[in-house]
Amino acid sequence: GAGVSQSPSNKVTEKGKDVELRCDPISGHTALYWYRQSLGQGLEFLIYFQGNSAPDKSGLPSDRFSAERTGGSVSTLTIQRTQQEDSAVYLCASSRGTGGRETQYFGPGTRLLVL
Amino acid sequence: GNSVTQMEGPVTLSEEAFLTINCTYTATGYPSLFWYVQYPGEGLQLLLKATKADDKGSNKGFEATYRKETTSFHLEKGSVQVSDSAVYFCALDTKGGTSYGKLTFGQGTILTVHP
Repeated sequence: GAGVSQSPSNKVTEKGKDVELRCDPISGHTALYWYRQSLGQGLEFLIYFQGNSAPDKSGLPSDRFSAERTGGSVSTLTIQRTQQEDSAVYLCASSRGTGGRETQYFGPGTRLLVL
Repeated sequence: GNSVTQMEGPVTLSEEAFLTINCTYTATGYPSLFWYVQYPGEGLQLLLKATKADDKGSNKGFEATYRKETTSFHLEKGSVQVSDSAVYFCALDTKGGTSYGKLTFGQGTILTVHP
């Protein structure tokens, strides 16, 4: 069956440019999460969606980061005016619902490099 | 706030050796606990989980027991194989409020198993 997919798999951009990262969750999964994996910070939570709303945006590192989810499905994470410290692997995960009994399934990630 | 502390790596073992990767946590309430694994070149995947105190999670010969009294969730395997070489992450979820289901990860432990 189809898992969580993310695109692009790799993205190289110049400092100051905007980037969009896409996540397609598993069909029927209502909860969607974005995490970031970087050498210095490990795995960090960024934002959580339940349906199309984002009750928890507490992990977004600055106002240059935003995310949206439409139709309770696809989500886009946008980083404006990228900085070198934004270089990381951005991971998306989805689950059927919320709570510890619901397993989060992770996508392969988008590796972002800001030059 | 919530936090997870994992045994520092990297860990290098010979095939068939016994494995322990320590994990301790700090959390409010009663989180669920997880071990995720990231094989070389692959995405993050759930290895095992436990949702309440004294539960034992197990999968692929790995085990971990939720110890509330010591706030620990140590990962063990009796006989490791070369194919177990990967990065292992301990994690907990956050219950309550708007952060339901959000995962907090440890820093990861790199395991290398030699033939």
